[in-house]
Amino acid sequence: EVQLVQSGAEVKKPGESLKISCEGSGYSFTSYWIGWVRQMPEKGLEWMGIIYPGDSDTRYNPSFQGQVTISVDKSISTAYLQWSSLKASDSAMYYCARRAEGSEYFQYWGQGTLVTVSS
Amino acid sequence: DIQMTHSPSTLSASVGDRVTITCRASQSISSWLAWYQQKPGKAPKLLIYKASTLEGGVPSRFSGSGSGTEFTLTISSLQPDDAATYYCQQYTSNPLTFGGGTKVEIK
Repeated sequence: EVQLVQSGAEVKKPGESLKISCEGSGYSFTSYWIGWVRQMPEKGLEWMGIIYPGDSDTRYNPSFQGQVTISVDKSISTAYLQWSSLKASDSAMYYCARRAEGSEYFQYWGQGTLVTVSS
Repeated sequence: DIQMTHSPSTLSASVGDRVTITCRASQSISSWLAWYQQKPGKAPKLLIYKASTLEGGVPSRFSGSGSGTEFTLTISSLQPDDAATYYCQQYTSNPLTFGGGTKVEIK
């Protein structure tokens, strides 16, 4: 069974750094792209970017380029989303999701990580 | 970026009703469209891909159609469990984009 398990909720102050994680299991982790999706409170879904664990090839939505870093540690089947300096506007639910084989829609989703940034 | 627009943004219908949601793309996306269902407090769930292909395990009352710029998601007989927000997503070009969603409420 394919599973994506995300790290727990975070409460941070503006200016702090943060790295959240997404561990994949039940499939060949290095063979499928994993992406990140933001959902701000009471809002829709935004595609942030995607990474191929096999070679760390990464593609960003230009709206998020430079604002976040997507990375992976294939030795522990885990993808990451990282901020160097959080802003209040980064408060949102963040989902990781795995692409379907041979296509670009998301077939499997993590449970989400809620990030709250407040002074 | 390709803009995806849902209509309506909210709809209220009774159990057993036939419900249709429309999603329009700002330019042609061929059939590279997926539909997701999101219930409150939960992650999105894939319903349909390539505009009309039902994901495994999804009830057959859900169906999708369309190509180019206009797409529909139909629920043939609305059930209480279908109360959710539904999102379309184009996956023909980066950045992939979602529509703003249609919230389906049960009367």
